[in-house]
Amino acid sequence: GENVEQHPSTLSVQEGDSAVIKCTYSDSASNYFPWYKQELGKRPQLIIDIRSNVGEKKDQRIAVTLNKTAKHFSLHITETQPEDSAVYFCAASKGSGYNKLIFGAGTRLAVHP
Amino acid sequence: DTGVSQNPRHKITKRGQNVTFRCDPISEHNRLYWYRQTLGQGPEFLTYFQNEAQLEKSRLLSDRFSAERPKGSFSTLEIQRTEQGDSAMYLCASSLSSGGHNEQYFGPGTRLTVT
Repeated sequence: GENVEQHPSTLSVQEGDSAVIKCTYSDSASNYFPWYKQELGKRPQLIIDIRSNVGEKKDQRIAVTLNKTAKHFSLHITETQPEDSAVYFCAASKGSGYNKLIFGAGTRLAVHP
Repeated sequence: DTGVSQNPRHKITKRGQNVTFRCDPISEHNRLYWYRQTLGQGPEFLTYFQNEAQLEKSRLLSDRFSAERPKGSFSTLEIQRTEQGDSAMYLCASSLSSGGHNEQYFGPGTRLTVT
């Protein structure tokens, strides 16, 4: 069935370092890949997304890359700040992109000052 | 607040009782989704609606669960004869299925505790 695996489950970095979170999806028909940030006790918030016709997308300190052949996609955060500390979820969806999201298990990122 | 809203935010119930949650999507969004999130896991898809039509239900959704969106606006999720395993955060999300807008926006969730 559809599955998204996410690694690592926890990530600890020093402020200013980069952080990379990787996801692998099983369904080759997947064509939409969002990333959500969830702070403790709060709702998941969309931070960036990428569609299968694009290999990379950037938004300030955040970038996402997609390798369709390998069915991998990754989130890159540069110049990390303490407020980046949260749980990050990757997800995949197929069809028109308006369908259900299949989420990874999450990565708990801690940025230490 | 023009975001997705959910009520109640917290619900404690005894095993065997019925509970109902409500979700109000972003007003122009025609798609509405329900997910369930347990501690340390990502959200798991339960069901979604386009307008008032329920288009897909997960196999996770046993016959004790029912969802409705009678007028294509707000939605309710009912759990009958609750079990301790139903304890989780129930999240609602909405999206607009036109103009290339795929993004799903989540509500704050309803945390259910079954004692």
